[in-house]
Amino acid sequence: GAVVSQHPSWVICKSGTSVKIECRSLDFQATTMFWYRQFPKQSLMLMATSNEGSKATYEQGVEKDKFLINHASLTLSTLTVTSAHPEDSSFYICSANGANYGYTFGSGTRLTVV
Amino acid sequence: SQQGEEDPQALSIQEGENATMNCSYKTSINNLQWYRQNSGRGLVHLILIRSNEREKHSGRLRVTLDTSKKSSSLLITASRAADTASYFCATDGGGAQKLVFGQGTRLTINP
Repeated sequence: GAVVSQHPSWVICKSGTSVKIECRSLDFQATTMFWYRQFPKQSLMLMATSNEGSKATYEQGVEKDKFLINHASLTLSTLTVTSAHPEDSSFYICSANGANYGYTFGSGTRLTVV
Repeated sequence: SQQGEEDPQALSIQEGENATMNCSYKTSINNLQWYRQNSGRGLVHLILIRSNEREKHSGRLRVTLDTSKKSSSLLITASRAADTASYFCATDGGGAQKLVFGQGTRLTINP
């Protein structure tokens, strides 16, 4: 079956630094990838949709300059949280959508900003 | 953005009982999916029901879809302690190629 690998699974960083999260589709080509954020005891909120080779489409209220998304290939998308602050601490989950695989989710990254 | 509401927000039942969760959505859909999430972990896909289907079964799971009411329900029969998790519905459609999640139901199965 389709597998999406997300790294790291957890990261702790200092306030003001940047953190990069990778999302890879291992055995299929993902034309579209999605990034979600989930705060404790809440649902998944879609942050942005990225298509390979083009700029990401951000949901309303999501700062595109703070959450940089790069989808350089059909198997890799990255989310960089720039100048992270404690309020950015959250669970970030990616999802990849391939032609024959539907939506496949990564295992998530728990970001803690101290 | 959230697609809609799920109810109840939290449900606590005894092992062996059936658990029913409901989901409502706002836009037209291509399909509706249910996912399970254990605390602090990723999502597990449970079942997908297409907009032209009314009911679907998978093991102990039964999903219904009423497009006229824009609602769906997930029934878990003969619940087990391992079913303790959060359950989310997610919709795909309405012209947008993206999956949007409901608020979720936190299910607790008491042994």
